[in-house]
Amino acid sequence: AQSVTQLDSQVPVFEEAPVELRCNYSSSVSVYLFWYVQYPNQGLQLLLKYLSGSTLVKGINGFEAEFNKSQTSFHLRKPSVHISDTAEYFCAVSGQGAQKLVFGQGTRLTINP
Amino acid sequence: DTAVSQTPKYLVTQMGNDKSIKCEQNLGHDTMYWYKQDSKKFLKIMFSYNNKELIINETVPNRFSPKSPDKAHLNLHINSLELGDSAVYFCASSLLRTGTQYFGPGTRLTVL
Repeated sequence: AQSVTQLDSQVPVFEEAPVELRCNYSSSVSVYLFWYVQYPNQGLQLLLKYLSGSTLVKGINGFEAEFNKSQTSFHLRKPSVHISDTAEYFCAVSGQGAQKLVFGQGTRLTINP
Repeated sequence: DTAVSQTPKYLVTQMGNDKSIKCEQNLGHDTMYWYKQDSKKFLKIMFSYNNKELIINETVPNRFSPKSPDKAHLNLHINSLELGDSAVYFCASSLLRTGTQYFGPGTRLTVL
């Protein structure tokens, strides 16, 4: 079984500042890792994913994440945030070949002008 | 547009009623899912179908019955609605074993 912990429930940052949203996972098998974003009153949009290969993964809207197997982490980063990045961010894991995503509790990113 | 679509977007109903939510995907995927997002935004899988066959059935009350008429459609029927069923229900789809799921816009169900 897999589990995901998002270490911060809320992260406030100023516009144009860098941000890191932290995600740790637990699994007894190899995993796929994902970050999804949910804008207010909208569905989930895939930001980026790690399936295999390079541990640094680049996604949409300038986001990137690094898979660290030894620390079982998959932290999301952006060097300079915009007001439009205000949203809820979800880290998710699935076992390779498994069918279900297990989600973290979500991190609310708030951008202040 | 290629996407996962759900109807209706909002559903307000009384306790005890029966309601259905429909989902369609035109991404050519063979696996579809239902997730529930509660009031604290926590997301949990309910069901998954692969080529019309049920492959995941989490601990969900049997008042919830999914149906997949073909691999592009997955519907969710809920009998005898309860207050605790109020949530946002998301449909998703993927290709089997590729791992990447794409989500619909959600259906906000409110039970009064």
